[in-house]
Amino acid sequence: AQTVTQSQPEMSVQEAETVTLSCTYDTSESDYYLFWYKQPPSRQMILVIRQEAYKQQNATENRFSVNFQKAAKSFSLKISDSQLGDAAMYFCAYRTQGGSEKLVFGKGTKLTVNP
Amino acid sequence: GAVVSQHPSWVICKSGTSVKIECRSLDFQATTMFWYRQFPKQSLMLMATSNEGSKATYEQGVEKDKFLINHASLTLSTLTVTSAHPEDSSFYICSARRDVPYEQYFGPGTRLTVT
Repeated sequence: AQTVTQSQPEMSVQEAETVTLSCTYDTSESDYYLFWYKQPPSRQMILVIRQEAYKQQNATENRFSVNFQKAAKSFSLKISDSQLGDAAMYFCAYRTQGGSEKLVFGKGTKLTVNP
Repeated sequence: GAVVSQHPSWVICKSGTSVKIECRSLDFQATTMFWYRQFPKQSLMLMATSNEGSKATYEQGVEKDKFLINHASLTLSTLTVTSAHPEDSSFYICSARRDVPYEQYFGPGTRLTVT
């Protein structure tokens, strides 16, 4: 079974600075999708960024980018120019292939942005 | 983007009663919906996969008779917590899977408090 590990329960960053959140995963599949979701205090899950494993190019969405290292099974999220609104729980997720294609979540990292 | 709603957003019920939570995809059809449970400061735990027109698939350890799932149409799935007890108090989140293009969209969640 696939597992997702987020080793940083909490992280903090100064406003306008850059922060990197770590995620590793374990799988025997060769093709899969990885995601970063943001959960603000409202608890609405928001998709931040997605990465297809067959793509070598790292995904980027405005201030958010990933460092995808397939061989190392690592998928970190970099947030540049951090803003107060970035404060939230961040969950790394792996989407299984075939069947229902369910999401497997890591335990999350709580990000605090200091003004 | 696609919208998923949940109703109610917050419900309080007495121990021993049943409560139904609705999950609706408002602007797309969802043959598959997922139900998650989230305890405070924890990650999302998948409870079951709901498939339109067929029986739900429950994750290991989830009581089928306690958490009844019905996916009667392509836009509606319901989760009924039967004979609720205080330990069932939690935050319940649904997501709906759009097939073309593939994406999962999350509802805003339902906070259940059992007194």
